[in-house]
Amino acid sequence: KNEVEQSPQNLTAQEGEFITINCSYSVGISALHWLQQHPGGGIVSLFMLSSGKKKHGRLIATINIQEKHSSLHITASHPRDSAVYICAVRSRNGGSQGNLIFGKGTKLSVKP
Amino acid sequence: DSGVTQTPKHLITATGQRVTLRCSPRSGDLSVYWYQQSLDQGLQFLIQYYNGEERAKGNILERFSAQQFPDLHSELNLSSLELGDSALYFCASSGNNYNEQFFGPGTRLTVL
Repeated sequence: KNEVEQSPQNLTAQEGEFITINCSYSVGISALHWLQQHPGGGIVSLFMLSSGKKKHGRLIATINIQEKHSSLHITASHPRDSAVYICAVRSRNGGSQGNLIFGKGTKLSVKP
Repeated sequence: DSGVTQTPKHLITATGQRVTLRCSPRSGDLSVYWYQQSLDQGLQFLIQYYNGEERAKGNILERFSAQQFPDLHSELNLSSLELGDSALYFCASSGNNYNEQFFGPGTRLTVL
């Protein structure tokens, strides 16, 4: 079983829809990251959070440390949001402290 | 633009060869991370350097090595290349273990 699981793997939405991507993890963490990977391959860091909720424009990220779960929401989705969204956790244990463990990603396609 | 630069953007080489990938972190960032993204494995952490010293090792093969120089740029050396080494190699930088990581554009390595 992967230490970081994302769902769904693939998601197709119509422009304007509200989108939720989920991430569950099984290790103790010091922070969780949401990343966006564009079709060209570049990776952009969207959020880093260790508790609560963060908002940036139409994107909202939440985390529940007790339940080991995070969600990324996109409101009023747009075709330019089409990308792969990757959840990554920073383990707080041992020699890998500070380094990221990645989920497999959620491929989002928003149709006009 | 994340401020992290990587060269070259693309690299095509043959099995058995050796290549060097280069990364310049954002100005002021002391930590450099190397990641490999292959189609079947997703993103995986390879190695981290902090201010010239190796800080943590992940799933890095013995054929691979890295270093961080006094000017903080880093190089990832891949030797005895195999077909399975074909992947995107990303470098990221941060101020320390606890900060957001900023990703470079990646180097796409193709081993023929």
